[in-house]
Amino acid sequence: NAGVTQTPKFQVLKTGQSMTLQCAQDMNHEYMSWYRQDPGMGLRLIHYSVGAGITDQGEVPNGYNVSRSTTEDFPLRLLSAAPSQTSVYFCASTVGGGQGAVGYTFGSGTRLTVV
Amino acid sequence: DAKTTQPPSMDCAEGRAANLPCNHSTISGNEYVYWYRQIHSQGPQYIIHGLKNNETNEMASLIITEDRKSSTLILPHATLRDTAVYYCIVRPRGGSSNTGKLIFGQGTTLQVKP
Repeated sequence: NAGVTQTPKFQVLKTGQSMTLQCAQDMNHEYMSWYRQDPGMGLRLIHYSVGAGITDQGEVPNGYNVSRSTTEDFPLRLLSAAPSQTSVYFCASTVGGGQGAVGYTFGSGTRLTVV
Repeated sequence: DAKTTQPPSMDCAEGRAANLPCNHSTISGNEYVYWYRQIHSQGPQYIIHGLKNNETNEMASLIITEDRKSSTLILPHATLRDTAVYYCIVRPRGGSSNTGKLIFGQGTTLQVKP
């Protein structure tokens, strides 16, 4: 049971490049979320999803797109990378609906540097 | 969503109980209290959650006041490996449109000292 898998673990991008951060879970969780964590700071919610085909914005959605075509996958797309997007990105998932009182499981993170 | 207030930092001696407070005075009846921790640069780890009763698991105990306006996470015998940032979060129960939304505050940095 792999849990929440994030790829890649490390990435360096040039300003203006685009890329997709991958997140997959094998626990049949309905809810999935993306967070960013800047050095020395707390986690900030970027986007989240409560099921396939349903996404919503979090606290800091600008510059990022998401889609949820399957229950298992929740990719995060950076449209045009900027140095301000240098951060560690965490994906998380949990069961949803009436069983919402369960903790989120987090991935190990993707460390992104934009130069 | 209800907001939480935690002290920015705390120290605890190894082997002693660590008691981490959290204030959530605006919590509503359908909201749970969750605790997570983040060790160094790892992904956050779920610890425990509760609605109105005290809860205990293999990691910690959660004490929620009768009026639900505050709670305390207790690590009964803190070890050096418990040094981490601890987050107290309030989240709606299942069935709410906000259930999927988990907002982190600044947390409490717990330093366990030998």
